[in-house]
Amino acid sequence: DVKVTQSSRYLVKRTGEKVFLECVQDMDHENMFWYRQDPGLGLRLIYFSYDVKMKEKGDIPEGYSVSREKKERFSLILESASTNQTSMYLCATTGIQSNQPQHFGDGTRLSIL
Amino acid sequence: GQNIDQPTEMTATEGAIVQINCTYQTSGFNGLFWYQQHAGEAPTFLSYNVLDGLEEKGRFSSFLSRSKGYSYLLLKELQMKDSASYLCAVLGRGSTLGRLYFGRGTQLTVWP
Repeated sequence: DVKVTQSSRYLVKRTGEKVFLECVQDMDHENMFWYRQDPGLGLRLIYFSYDVKMKEKGDIPEGYSVSREKKERFSLILESASTNQTSMYLCATTGIQSNQPQHFGDGTRLSIL
Repeated sequence: GQNIDQPTEMTATEGAIVQINCTYQTSGFNGLFWYQQHAGEAPTFLSYNVLDGLEEKGRFSSFLSRSKGYSYLLLKELQMKDSASYLCAVLGRGSTLGRLYFGRGTQLTVWP
């Protein structure tokens, strides 16, 4: 079974802080994704990566950056947290074949005060 | 642009059949996924369609018509545990291989 582990289930931070969300997978998957999920808006893609040190912007990259130094780890960084970044953040991974489903971590519920 | 539409909410009773529709308009198409997401949990994979027709998996079936940009998820013999959000997602093509475009989800409530 694919295991996708997000570092925190719940996180509370203050406005202006730099926030790191970590995601680790154990299946040697090439592709990794960061989404945020908000009521009524569904899943929105922030950034994704298809290889080490490679990244592509998703639909809502503003205010975020990412890092992929090792294949198994994909980090999402909120450079200066703001209250509108309060959300559920989900990491997902998939292999290189197009018909493979994305496997999701349990999510991090982030609150910015 | 990408546009994926599905109803916001549906309700049904235990033992019934429900069909959740999804229509899409995307610049590339390499398949369509359905996911189930219970409240407070991660989405889990239900089905994948890339060719036209019906794919059956136990109580759940998924249908695709590429010419119409249309899919549905059919749930039979509904159970209370089927109450969840159902997400339709289209797989992109080319340089964004592996990227999914998600609909906003359909919240299904199953009543006893």
